[in-house]
Amino acid sequence: EVQLVESGGGLVKPGGSLRLSCAASGFTFSSYSMNWVRQAPGKGLEWVSSISSSSSYIYYADSVKGRFTISRDNAKNSLYLQMNSLRAEDTAVYYCARAYYYDSNWFDPWGQGTLVTVSS
Amino acid sequence: EIVMTQSPATLSVSPGERATLSCRASQSVSSNLAWYQQKPGQAPRLLIYGASTRATGIPARFSGSGSGTEFTLTISSLQSEDFAVYYCQQYNNPGAFGGGTKVEIK
Repeated sequence: EVQLVESGGGLVKPGGSLRLSCAASGFTFSSYSMNWVRQAPGKGLEWVSSISSSSSYIYYADSVKGRFTISRDNAKNSLYLQMNSLRAEDTAVYYCARAYYYDSNWFDPWGQGTLVTVSS
Repeated sequence: EIVMTQSPATLSVSPGERATLSCRASQSVSSNLAWYQQKPGQAPRLLIYGASTRATGIPARFSGSGSGTEFTLTISSLQSEDFAVYYCQQYNNPGAFGGGTKVEIK
């Protein structure tokens, strides 16, 4: 069974940093692009960042460019999101999502998410 | 930046009826469009990609159509488990979801 489990969320002060992790299992992690998508409380989905299977291609939403860094460790079947200079508007549930096909830009499955709250 | 607009924001439908959801792109995305379903407290689930191809395990009552800038998700006969929020996503450039349509019980 394909499984994605996010961790690392929590309460952080504005300007602070947090590192999210996503542990993958049940598929060949190194063959798939991976993604982060977030959802602010009561709001819609917002794509955050994508990384190709070998980390050759990386993309960010304008709203996080220069502050967030996506990375992966294929040996550990893990995806990461380093979040710096956090703002109140970064408060959201952060989902890890796999490419449906190896490098597709549509996503499934998704993890259950980890909540990040940025507040003083 | 491509902006995705979904309408209506809320759709009230009786079980067994047909639901038609719309998604418009601010510029052409060809057929690079996906639809997702999200139920309260759950992660989204992929329904449709390539504008009209159902993902594995998705019932035939879900169908997608359109290309360019205008897209439609149709649920032919609403079941109780279909009441949820639906999002479109263009992937011509990475990302960009629409604001969502909530399908509620009438």
